[in-house]
Amino acid sequence: DVKVTQSSRYLVKRTGEKVFLECVQDMDHENMFWYRQDPGLGLRLIYFSYDVKMKEKGDIPEGYSVSREKKERFSLILESASTNQTSMYLCASTSQQGGAEKLFFGSGTQLSVL
Amino acid sequence: SQQGEEDPQALSIQEGENATMNCSYKTSINNLQWYRQNSGRGLVHLILIRSNEREKHSGRLRVTLDTSKKSSSLLITASRAADTASYFCATDAKTSYDKVIFGPGTSLSVIP
Repeated sequence: DVKVTQSSRYLVKRTGEKVFLECVQDMDHENMFWYRQDPGLGLRLIYFSYDVKMKEKGDIPEGYSVSREKKERFSLILESASTNQTSMYLCASTSQQGGAEKLFFGSGTQLSVL
Repeated sequence: SQQGEEDPQALSIQEGENATMNCSYKTSINNLQWYRQNSGRGLVHLILIRSNEREKHSGRLRVTLDTSKKSSSLLITASRAADTASYFCATDAKTSYDKVIFGPGTSLSVIP
């Protein structure tokens, strides 16, 4: 089975800190995604990547950046964490290049920014 | 802006009843997918229907797609308490099909 692993299940950070959320997948998938999930808003796409060193902005990229130096790893970076970035962060990957189908999700990281 | 919107936001039924959730979207799509999320966990893929398909079945799941109305429905037959979860539709817009957009979801409670 495909495994998508997010490095932390729960994370507590202070306002202004630089935060790294890591995601690793073990099935050689080309596409990887970062979403945030908030009550009543569903999942909102932050960034996605379809290849190493390639990235595309999603719907809410402000305040975030990403890094994909290796195919299996996709990192989300909060340059200067703010309280409105408190959320559940979900990483996903899929094998279809040119047509994203059947995303595999990690278990999520619940980030609290105090 | 969100591509998909589910309806209703919340649904509560008795075990054994059927549950129907609807999804509407805004732009042309390549495919539409349904996912399930148990509380506090990641999402799990349930079923995918392509834009040239009208109906698809998988076990107790039935999905329909009406591209003229830009809408889809997910039917869960003979529901079980274990079906209690949130259900999301997801679409990939034809203009950017690597980008998968989710709706806000329907919260389903199945009462034993």
